[in-house]
Amino acid sequence: GAGVSQSPSNKVTEKGKDVELRCDPISGHTALYWYRQRLGQGLEFLIYFQGNSAPDKSGLPSDRFSAERTGESVSTLTIQRTQQEDSAVYLCASSLGGSGTDTQYFGPGTRLTVL
Amino acid sequence: GEDVEQSLFLSVREGDSSVINCTYTDSSSTYLYWYKQEPGAGLQLLTYIFSNMDMKQDQRLTVLLNKKDKHLSLRIADTQTGDSAIYFCAERTGNNRKLIWGLGTSLAVNP
Repeated sequence: GAGVSQSPSNKVTEKGKDVELRCDPISGHTALYWYRQRLGQGLEFLIYFQGNSAPDKSGLPSDRFSAERTGESVSTLTIQRTQQEDSAVYLCASSLGGSGTDTQYFGPGTRLTVL
Repeated sequence: GEDVEQSLFLSVREGDSSVINCTYTDSSSTYLYWYKQEPGAGLQLLTYIFSNMDMKQDQRLTVLLNKKDKHLSLRIADTQTGDSAIYFCAERTGNNRKLIWGLGTSLAVNP
């Protein structure tokens, strides 16, 4: 497809379980971002990948959160030992990664519910 | 630190103009963005403005930037019921690619 896709669209898990969220960026986009949006809140930056550079992990809230990206394609966000406060919509975005506006295009998100 | 603030709610009548306001604190902002989020849909970029501009117009949308006051606004002319959504203001500072987001303004358009 032409846009950013994410899977699953919804995930319900039990507290303490690990989850993996997937993001497929727009083809040719070198930059990829993960954000978290809690109910009624704005977006909270988690992590950013740009080409082969070391990722900017400054937004990851704890060491239970990690993310990987294979080259300039798919990324997975992993949350270990999930807690109820992890419940949120996890949004992925990608951009060309060049200079200028470098507009970020968002996927539909994965709604994570931790029971 | 970096902070972006927006009013949370706005209600207008169909056909009127809507003005959504945003303030930010970081004077090194390079680009400022407006995104729209409809129920059940992803975030959609509406428009953006570069920090050396004062105004940008795009069809029914007008963006005004007051750098001195660090104030950004989005005006939607002839507001329609389909404009009902949450509107997010976001800023990008310097060479930093991550965006700093406001909490969003929920726009309700009444027929």
